[in-house]
Amino acid sequence: GIQVEQSPPDLILQEGANSTLRCNFSDSVNNLQWFHQNPWGQLINLFYIPSGTKQNGRLSATTVATERYSLLYISSSQTTDSGVYFCAVEPYSGAGSYQLTFGKGTKLSVIP
Amino acid sequence: NAGVTQTPKFRVLKTGQSMTLLCAQDMNHEYMYWYRQDPGMGLRLIHYSVGEGTTAKGEVPDGYNVSRLKKQNFLLGLESAAPSQTSVYFCASSYGYNSPLHFGNGTRLTVT
Repeated sequence: GIQVEQSPPDLILQEGANSTLRCNFSDSVNNLQWFHQNPWGQLINLFYIPSGTKQNGRLSATTVATERYSLLYISSSQTTDSGVYFCAVEPYSGAGSYQLTFGKGTKLSVIP
Repeated sequence: NAGVTQTPKFRVLKTGQSMTLLCAQDMNHEYMYWYRQDPGMGLRLIHYSVGEGTTAKGEVPDGYNVSRLKKQNFLLGLESAAPSQTSVYFCASSYGYNSPLHFGNGTRLTVT
């Protein structure tokens, strides 16, 4: 099956710093989503971004499908950004398989 | 607008007992999913449904059954619980294929 690798596995930032999280995948995809799991365990959808660039406030994401990677940018980080960030992909198969494969996540800690 | 609601939030079972987890969504989403999350494993798909009356197996379906009798509800059953089923279970829904996934808050299940 498709492999999803996220880097770095752990990241510690000072409040106000910027960061870039990376998601590499091993096959062509037609569905890519980024999620944030907060310290209370809630999973929040950040972006649906199989290709191109999107921005939402301090967060933005870029997927370069031809090179099989996606980047999540966090600017001016806040303590509320702490948690685990997951990338999830669905391989392109011509017919939808409806099965997102999740990476193991990047654990972000923002310290005041 | 409650989104995706899971009940119960916590449950402890003894080996061999059975239980049902309930997921309800009020967004008129067509697709619903059950995932489990284990430490270091990310999220893995158990079963999913692409519409009322339909179900299909995901990556780790053994030991679980599901039903989607009504569009807004997706039930996950464990007929004979095993310690290996100790996990956090997440329900999710989406409007359609290749749409953003919305998660419930999870159910923490412990099997002793």
